[in-house]
Amino acid sequence: GENVEQHPSTLSVQEGDSAVIKCTYSDSASNYFPWYKQELGKRPQLIIDIRSNVGEKKDQRIAVTLNKTAKHFSLHITETQPEDSAVYFCAASSKGSYIPTFGRGTSLIVHP
Amino acid sequence: ETGVTQSPTHLIKTRGQQVTLRCSSQSGHNTVSWYQQALGQGPQFIFQYYREEENGRGNFPPRFSGLQFPNYSSELNVNALELDDSALYLCASSLGTGGAKNIQYFGAGTRLSVL
Repeated sequence: GENVEQHPSTLSVQEGDSAVIKCTYSDSASNYFPWYKQELGKRPQLIIDIRSNVGEKKDQRIAVTLNKTAKHFSLHITETQPEDSAVYFCAASSKGSYIPTFGRGTSLIVHP
Repeated sequence: ETGVTQSPTHLIKTRGQQVTLRCSSQSGHNTVSWYQQALGQGPQFIFQYYREEENGRGNFPPRFSGLQFPNYSSELNVNALELDDSALYLCASSLGTGGAKNIQYFGAGTRLSVL
């Protein structure tokens, strides 16, 4: 089955800095990679996703890059703000199963 | 549009008991997936229901079972509770099972504590 590794487990940045979270996956058939943000005590919410036919996708301060050859994908947050503080999860799913396998999460702390 | 709702929000049980968790899917969604999220971990897939049939199962024992009803709401049942079952149980609904239809929309979860 699919295995998703996520790093770092904790990331502490100053407001205005950039933050990068990296994930690797094991199943070369995976073709859909969503990112979720989970604030303390709240539900995971989809913030951005990317499909395997695209190398990069941007949405305002958030971007995701995908390297299919190396089987890794990354979340980039620019100009971080305190409200970006949350746990971020990456996930991967394949055309066959469509069930996402999640990483263990990264706790992002943005200091004002 | 109504989002995914779960009940109850919190539950305390003792080892060996049985529990039923409930989920109402988002309007227009016919697929429900259940996840277990232990503290400090990512959600682990338990199973998925599509149009009232089980459509995939993760690495969970048979004492974890489920149902989906004609209105696409769903139940997760756990028998013979163990201490390690203590976790946040998340329900997610989606438009379907293929491609973009499988984007998961999560509920707020049920926090289960087993003593």
